[in-house]
Amino acid sequence: DAKTTQPPSMDCAEGRAANLPCNHSTISGNEYVYWYRQIHSQGPQYIIHGLKNNETNEMASLIITEDRKSSTLILPHATLRDTAVYYCIVRAHYGQNFVFGPGTRLSVLP
Amino acid sequence: GAVVSQHPSWVICKSGTSVKIECRSLDFQATTMFWYRQFPKQSLMLMATSNEGSKATYEQGVEKDKFLINHASLTLSTLTVTSAHPEDSSFYICSANEREEQYFGPGTRLTVL
Repeated sequence: DAKTTQPPSMDCAEGRAANLPCNHSTISGNEYVYWYRQIHSQGPQYIIHGLKNNETNEMASLIITEDRKSSTLILPHATLRDTAVYYCIVRAHYGQNFVFGPGTRLSVLP
Repeated sequence: GAVVSQHPSWVICKSGTSVKIECRSLDFQATTMFWYRQFPKQSLMLMATSNEGSKATYEQGVEKDKFLINHASLTLSTLTVTSAHPEDSSFYICSANEREEQYFGPGTRLTVL
């Protein structure tokens, strides 16, 4: 079973920030938080990952709470092409497979 | 980032035939690759872990004689769906690890008539 909980769906206006929450209250100290997204009929695309510090890259920012029990993925300026299912996954270490939950279906509206 | 390719991207076959799907890591070597299956409006489900030079490890409920996996080199893993039936119609996705990140292929849509 997935170790994360996400809202099933969210809407966001184009150009606004999209904030996608994820609960991972049972996360272990050695587990990383990963975010992937899947656009319809494509393979999952890596977005970002982190352990305990906030992370930022060209796609998004990842904010992890101090107790590491939850995190938020931020797409700073959502576009229509960001419409996808976003998966929050925790994984202990390199080489282990990912366990996908149902994710959050983000719809970016014009 | 690293690239994983799959071939074919889609395939239609008759019931009872076998179908082979290839998964390649294009610019890195992968000792471990994973095969997932995704039914419409559902999430990805891990089918098996493919290990280079050894037997694959299958998840509970996945028939190893039906879904044959071969990982003969560090850049290629193949999944063969033997004696395919309509219920095997699905989106098959492979992935491979490079350091801390896991890269996914674009998927193969299998339709069995």
